[in-house]
Amino acid sequence: EVQLVESGGALVQPGGSLRLSCVTSGFVFSSFEMNWVRQAPGKGLEWLSYINNRGTTKYYADSVKGRFTVSRDNAKNSLYLQMNSLRAEDTAVYFCARDPATGEFDFWGQGTLVTVSS
Amino acid sequence: DIQMTQSPSILSASVGDRVTITCRASQSINSWLAWYVQKPGKSPKLLIYKASKLKSGVPARFSGSGSGTEFTLNISSLQPDDFAIYYCQQHSSRSPTFGQGTKVEIK
Repeated sequence: EVQLVESGGALVQPGGSLRLSCVTSGFVFSSFEMNWVRQAPGKGLEWLSYINNRGTTKYYADSVKGRFTVSRDNAKNSLYLQMNSLRAEDTAVYFCARDPATGEFDFWGQGTLVTVSS
Repeated sequence: DIQMTQSPSILSASVGDRVTITCRASQSINSWLAWYVQKPGKSPKLLIYKASKLKSGVPARFSGSGSGTEFTLNISSLQPDDFAIYYCQQHSSRSPTFGQGTKVEIK
């Protein structure tokens, strides 16, 4: 069974940093591209970042470019999102999602809540 | 970025109804469109990819069609479990974008 489990969400002050993790199981992690998507409270879905299966190609939404960094450790079947210079508008549930190389997201984690507030 | 616009934003329907949701892209995305369903407090789940391909395990009452800039999601006979929010997503570019969502509620 494919599973993705995010963690690392917390309450953080504006300007602070946080690192999210997504631990996966049930599939060959090193064969799949991965993404981060977020959802602000009561709002829709916003794609944030993409990383290819080897970690050599990364893309970011303009809203997080220069502040967020995606990475992965294929030996640990894990995906990460380092978030710096956090703002109130970054408050959201953050999901990791698997990408079977055709751009749709076929499996999602349950999400982890990040709250940016003083 | 490619903008995705769904209509309607809210759809009131009854169990057994046939339901259609439309998604329009600001430029051609060929058939690179996916549909997701999300229930309150849960993560989205993929229903359809590449405009019309049903994900394995998704009930056959769901179908998708369209190409270019206009797409539709159809539910042939609405079931109680289908009351939820539906999102389209273009996966034509390396900057994927979602529609704003369509809430299907009980009439």
